[in-house]
Amino acid sequence: GESVGLHLPTLSVQEGDNSIINCAYSNSASDYFIWYKQESGKGPQFIIDIRSNMDKRQGQRVTVLLNKTVKHLSLQIAATQPGDSAVYFCAERAPIGTYKYIFGTGTRLKVLA
Amino acid sequence: DAGVTQSPTHLIKTRGQQVTLRCSPISGHKSVSWYQQVLGQGPQFIFQYYEKEERGRGNFPDRFSARQFPNYSSELNVNALLLGDSALYLCASSSDGPSETQYFGPGTRLLVL
Repeated sequence: GESVGLHLPTLSVQEGDNSIINCAYSNSASDYFIWYKQESGKGPQFIIDIRSNMDKRQGQRVTVLLNKTVKHLSLQIAATQPGDSAVYFCAERAPIGTYKYIFGTGTRLKVLA
Repeated sequence: DAGVTQSPTHLIKTRGQQVTLRCSPISGHKSVSWYQQVLGQGPQFIFQYYEKEERGRGNFPDRFSARQFPNYSSELNVNALLLGDSALYLCASSSDGPSETQYFGPGTRLLVL
């Protein structure tokens, strides 16, 4: 299938290791954040979300950390598997009243066997 | 449960033509958003509709228009197509209020020749 992002930053991780994907967001007034996973030829798939009143949230094998001081998000994937290979985007919900999500540029995760 | 569906999956048009893309949200979702994703970039917000009214608009020319029907499905229209309109067009739906978690469809791949 077509590649989602040909020139994106790439993170290569050995299978079984932990992955950390970082994202800088743009607006200090954004109140809600989502990580999406996008595989070739598919739409973005919801992974995990976090609200601005939290600094950490855990899901199954994934953890999102939010640092509002420096406007930084990270996604941690434990025991990375080949099926985790994809492009990962963070999205911030723009301030109330604008009704839109702003996406980061994306990071390609490659899992090495 | 059916997710967000979009049609057609692929489309080829020539410059100057018009195109209509269709989206059906997840059952019970009243909000539909449209995004354009150019190869190598994150999705860019075009429109959001909630309860058949436009609630937000991104930085796109007036050649782009959309509408939402009583059953909450939506159409995106693009007139006077340009080569630069070639992209993956994504539809996302969300429940209740207009700014909750957005779930994406598989997208429509538009190629303008």
